[in-house]
Amino acid sequence: EVQLVESGGGLVQPGGSLRLSCAASGFTFSRYYMSWVRQAPGKGLEWVANTKPDGGEKNYVGSVKGRFTISRDNVENSLYLQMNSLRAEDTAVYYCARVRDVVGNTPTGGHWGQGTLVTVSS
Amino acid sequence: DIQMTQSPSTLSASVGDRVTITCRASQSVSGWLAWYQQNPGKAPKLVIYAASSLESGVPSRFSGSGSGTEFTLTISSLQADDFATYYCQQYNSYPLTFGGGTKVEIK
Repeated sequence: EVQLVESGGGLVQPGGSLRLSCAASGFTFSRYYMSWVRQAPGKGLEWVANTKPDGGEKNYVGSVKGRFTISRDNVENSLYLQMNSLRAEDTAVYYCARVRDVVGNTPTGGHWGQGTLVTVSS
Repeated sequence: DIQMTQSPSTLSASVGDRVTITCRASQSVSGWLAWYQQNPGKAPKLVIYAASSLESGVPSRFSGSGSGTEFTLTISSLQADDFATYYCQQYNSYPLTFGGGTKVEIK
């Protein structure tokens, strides 16, 4: 069974940093694109970033470029999101998501974690 | 960036109703369109991918259609489990983008 478990969320002051982790199990992690998707309180879904299976290609939404870094450890089966220069508008539940399929053009959210809440406030 | 616009934003319906949600893209996404269902406090769940392919385990009352810039999600006979918020997402080009969501509520 595919399992994705996020951790690392919490309260941080504006301008601060936080590192989110996602522990993956139940599938061959190193074969799949992985994403972070966030949802501000009471709002819709926003794709944040993804990384290719080998970690060599990374893509970001414009609002986080230069502030957030996605990475992965294919030995530890883990996905990370390093978030720097945090702003109030980054407050959201952050979900880890695995694409549906190994190959081809495939939707972002074949499987999702339960999410971890990040609150940016003084 | 490709903008995804869903309508309506809220839909009131009864059990047994046929329901249709529309998603329009600001430019062609070919057939690379997914639909997700989200219940309050829960993670989204994939319902439809590649515009019209039903995800495994999803009831056959759900169907999707469309290509290019206009897509629809139809629930043929609404059940109690279906009252939720639905999001479309294009995965044709970066940045990947979601629609604003359609909340299906009980009439």
